[in-house]
Amino acid sequence: AIWMTQSPSLLSASTGDRVTISCRMSQGISSYLAWYQQKPGKAPELLIYAASTLQSGVPSRFSGSGSGTDFTLTISCLQSEDFATYYCQQYYSFPPTFGQGTKVEIK
Amino acid sequence: EVQLVESGGGLVQPGGSLRLSCAASGFTFSSYWMHWVRQAPGKGLVWVSRINSDGSSTSYADSVKGRFTISRDNAKNTLYLQMNSLRAEDTAVYYCASGSPIAVAGTVSAFDIWGQGTMVTVSS
Repeated sequence: AIWMTQSPSLLSASTGDRVTISCRMSQGISSYLAWYQQKPGKAPELLIYAASTLQSGVPSRFSGSGSGTDFTLTISCLQSEDFATYYCQQYYSFPPTFGQGTKVEIK
Repeated sequence: EVQLVESGGGLVQPGGSLRLSCAASGFTFSSYWMHWVRQAPGKGLVWVSRINSDGSSTSYADSVKGRFTISRDNAKNTLYLQMNSLRAEDTAVYYCASGSPIAVAGTVSAFDIWGQGTMVTVSS
């Protein structure tokens, strides 16, 4: 299985900040990476797939970049509704695997 | 409205069984691969099982292989997960999710529609 390391595990930020979350793979996965947002008590929601393609309806302040082993999720101007936990997921090889998650909390 | 609604969770003793259901609506259920993903309390997401669109092919995580069985009834737009020989470590919220037809590499995909989840607690 492909392992992923997400960092940081906890990120304290303020509304309006630019935040960056990293996801590093144990092996190259081309661009077969997705990002999800999960709010407490809710199901995850797909934000980005193919490393940088925004899912329909996702605000443009979210962006993704990277290929191979290193990927980044950026929120350009943090809004109150963005405080949540974010997960990366690879779908390059079976089984699909998720990162450990990054909780974005209010500073 | 595109929707997945899980049911069937609850409290069960170790060694017991439970059957989860996931009712789909608002999309062509029979065209999609479907998955179960679980999340232990305070922990991250873990993929559990998948089934192809016509139900002829299934796969499982090593941790549940031989104990869990995924199935589907396309006439009823419903996905199932039969869980036997349950262990304390199976305690989690179980989500059903559809495999994205766009975000896919071969037979592995991202998950674009998620249910609200159903809680399974294995405890004596």
